[in-house]
Amino acid sequence: GIQVEQSPPDLILQEGANSTLRCNFSDSVNNLQWFHQNPWGQLINLFYIPSGTKQNGRLSATTVATERYSLLYISSSQTTDSGVYFCAVAPQAGTALIFGKGTTLSVSS
Amino acid sequence: GAGVSQSPSNKVTEKGKDVELRCDPISGHTALYWYRQSLGQGLEFLIYFQGNSAPDKSGLPSDRFSAERTGGSVSTLTIQRTQQEDSAVYLCASSYGYTFGSGTRLTVV
Repeated sequence: GIQVEQSPPDLILQEGANSTLRCNFSDSVNNLQWFHQNPWGQLINLFYIPSGTKQNGRLSATTVATERYSLLYISSSQTTDSGVYFCAVAPQAGTALIFGKGTTLSVSS
Repeated sequence: GAGVSQSPSNKVTEKGKDVELRCDPISGHTALYWYRQSLGQGLEFLIYFQGNSAPDKSGLPSDRFSAERTGGSVSTLTIQRTQQEDSAVYLCASSYGYTFGSGTRLTVV
């Protein structure tokens, strides 16, 4: 099955710093989404981005489908950005997302 | 309802007992997914329901696990003869945008 690798596994930042999280996947995908799991365990969908670039406030994401990777950018990080960021992909329409192991982000003030 | 509701929020059971976990998806959402998340790990796909189609059960780890969805709405995940390795947070999501519930934390003692 499709493999999803995220890097780095852990990231520690000072408030105000920028960061880039990477997601590599082993096969073509029909669906790619980024999620944030806050320290209380709630999962929030950040982006649906099987290709192209999207921005939402301080967060943006880019997927280069032909090279099988996606990047999540966090600018001017805040303590509320702490948590685990997951990349998830689905190889075909009508199939469930397969999640990577996540990047754990800790932002300190 | 306004969001995905899961119950119970916490469940402690003795090894060998059966448990039922419930998910109430967002009204009108035809897609429903079950995942589990072991401590410090990513999300493991279990089962996917889409409307009246046969569910995708490819992620169920053993025949002790089963799930049903009644009337295209509420879903129940049943684990028979629970084992300690079944301890995890069980998460439900509805719609193609993956709106997640808060999960059921299952502890098998």
